[in-house]
Amino acid sequence: GQSLEQPSEVTAVEGAIVQINCTYQTSGFYGLSWYQQHDGGAPTFLSYNGLDGLEETGRFSSFLSRSDSYGYLLLQELQMKDSASYFCAAPHNQGGKLIFGQGTELSVKP
Amino acid sequence: GAVVSQHPSRVICKSGTSVKIECRSLDFQATTMFWYRQFPKKSLMLMATSNEGSKATYEQGVEKDKFLINHASLTLSTLTVTSAHPEDSSFYICSARALGQGQSYEQYFGPGTRLTVT
Repeated sequence: GQSLEQPSEVTAVEGAIVQINCTYQTSGFYGLSWYQQHDGGAPTFLSYNGLDGLEETGRFSSFLSRSDSYGYLLLQELQMKDSASYFCAAPHNQGGKLIFGQGTELSVKP
Repeated sequence: GAVVSQHPSRVICKSGTSVKIECRSLDFQATTMFWYRQFPKKSLMLMATSNEGSKATYEQGVEKDKFLINHASLTLSTLTVTSAHPEDSSFYICSARALGQGQSYEQYFGPGTRLTVT
C-alpha cells in the first residue's frame, strides 16, 4: 500500500517562514511532488523531488530524504495569498498515477 | 502552456439522471488523464486512470458501470456519472500528463466540476 502523512493545518504570520512536512510509505518510490490548491480551485504544481536534497523555486523550496521517507515544503516570506491547502503526492508507479496526502491547510495571518 | 479545461464548471441535476463531464488538454497531447473526486476540506481521491484508445483503469471501490470514462482522443476524456444520486455530489477534477513527459510526474489539473444532485 501507499500512504502519505502531513499535518492537517498550519498557521503563520505574513513574512514568516513555514515548513510543511510529509512522511510517506510506498511500495515503490518515484519521487515526491507538492501541489497548492486554493479554495474551490484546481491544484497547481509547485515542485518535484526525485533525488535527495533541496529544490528551490523562488520563495518555495522542497526537500527530500529517501532514507528517512520524508520530505518537506518550505515557504518563505509568507504572503496572504499563500493561504491555501498544500498536498504532498507520490507517483504510484511509472504510469504517473499520483497518491495524495490528506493536505495541510495553511492560514497566513496579518 | 499546459492548460487543461473542464466543462461544465458547475452542474445541478436531478436524482436518476446522467451527467457528462469533459476534460480537455488545450495545448498539448495527453496520453493519460486521471479523474479525481474531492470532498470539502479533503484530499483528492483518484477514481480512475484514462488512457487514450483503451479502457480506463478504476481504483478499488469505484464502480466502473456508474462512472463511465471514455478517452477518445489525445486531448479529450469524458466522465459520465450515470443514474446520479445525492451521494455523488462532489467536486470532480481531471488531470493530464503530457505525451513524452518521460520521468516527469507533473500533472496538469483542470479547474474542476462541482456536481450537485438533488
